[in-house]
Amino acid sequence: EDKVVQSPLSLVVHEGDTVTLNCSYEVTNFRSLLWYKQEKKAPTFLFMLTSSGIEKKSGRLSSILDKKELFSILNITATQTGDSAVYLCAATTGTASKLTFGTGTRLQVTL
Amino acid sequence: EAGVTQFPSHSVIEKGQTVTLRCDPISGHDNLYWYRRVMGKEIKFLLHFVKESKQDESGMPNNRFLAERTGGTYSTLKVQPAELEDSGVYFCASSQEARGYSPLHFGNGTRLTVT
Repeated sequence: EDKVVQSPLSLVVHEGDTVTLNCSYEVTNFRSLLWYKQEKKAPTFLFMLTSSGIEKKSGRLSSILDKKELFSILNITATQTGDSAVYLCAATTGTASKLTFGTGTRLQVTL
Repeated sequence: EAGVTQFPSHSVIEKGQTVTLRCDPISGHDNLYWYRRVMGKEIKFLLHFVKESKQDESGMPNNRFLAERTGGTYSTLKVQPAELEDSGVYFCASSQEARGYSPLHFGNGTRLTVT
């Protein structure tokens, strides 16, 4: 059965800190890995990664995929209180369109 | 561009009753998905439509759940009769392409509470 595991489950950091969120996956016929940010309602799309070693960047957020070791990380530098959310990692396969989600990492950024 | 919209945002019903959830995907997105998150668990796939056809319904929990997508536009998910374990947040998502080629865009979800 396809599986995605995220760590840590939750963390609390001070504004300005840098955080790294981890995601490992075991997915048959892997196609892509996606990161989402969920604040109160809809998960909002952050990154989609398909190739190993190519960093995707958006402002203070960046992410990279390692298809050999089957994991991805999401980095957030100079965290702000607005970064507080649940960060979801999900994997897709090439044979089906469904996403397999991890349980998420709950990030809380304090002043 | 309007996002994925879901209605209602919250529904509270008694066990044995029927509830219908609605999803309007992003215009032009042929692929529409239903997902569900029950308390404390990860978001799980229910089914996938391509236009009006069910492409994959392997995640539907049982025959109390019926999904339709009339004319390939909006979709409804009916639960009849509802059970306590059906409580959770039901998300709808849509995408331009399938099979992992383009990201899914999610709606705000419908929180279903069965008492």
